[in-house]
Amino acid sequence: QVQLQESGPGLVKPSETLSLTCTVSGGSISIFYWTWIRQPPGKGLEWIGHIFYTGSTDYNPSLKSRVTISVDTSKNQFSLTLSSVTAADTAVYYCARDVGARGFDFWGQGTLITVSS
Amino acid sequence: EIVLTQSPGTLSLSPGERATLSCRASQSVRSSYLAWYQQKPGQAPRLLIYGASSRPTGIPDRFSGSGSGTDFTLTISRLEPEDFAVYYCQQYGSSPLTFGGGTKVEIK
Repeated sequence: QVQLQESGPGLVKPSETLSLTCTVSGGSISIFYWTWIRQPPGKGLEWIGHIFYTGSTDYNPSLKSRVTISVDTSKNQFSLTLSSVTAADTAVYYCARDVGARGFDFWGQGTLITVSS
Repeated sequence: EIVLTQSPGTLSLSPGERATLSCRASQSVRSSYLAWYQQKPGQAPRLLIYGASSRPTGIPDRFSGSGSGTDFTLTISRLEPEDFAVYYCQQYGSSPLTFGGGTKVEIK
């Protein structure tokens, strides 16, 4: 059974950079796409972007200027950085496996990131 | 960007009743790449339906999906107590991938 676990700081100051890592266990990261999604408190889901194990990426245009997703196949991890954060970036951040035609089949539990001074 | 509009916003039903949730896309969804997710409070979403009508292993057959083009439906044939949750549709045929605003199924 594939499992994903997000890790990150919890609290980030405005204008700083948010960094999150997703560790994949129970399966290799060297297949499928790996994706980040976020959900502001009490609101809906927003796709941030995804990466293939080769390093090929695609980002949501609404965040593209501030987002970088990278992969480390040796550690079975992929990461998200979001620069110049504001209070609007406060959300639960999820990582998930994107199996292409079959949707997002495995998700991490999510981690709440609060942007505040 | 494909905008997904879900209706109704809230559905108030009793256990045992049938639930019908709608998802309408602003343009045709390529190859019926439309998924449905269930989310309970404090939990990550769970994939219920992909490809508009296919169920992953382990999803009960009371959940069914239908539709193509711009109109899609999730049906729960008989609501169980654990089915009261928020449901999101998602299109993954065109970038950026997008989600609908959600339908909350609550106990009447």
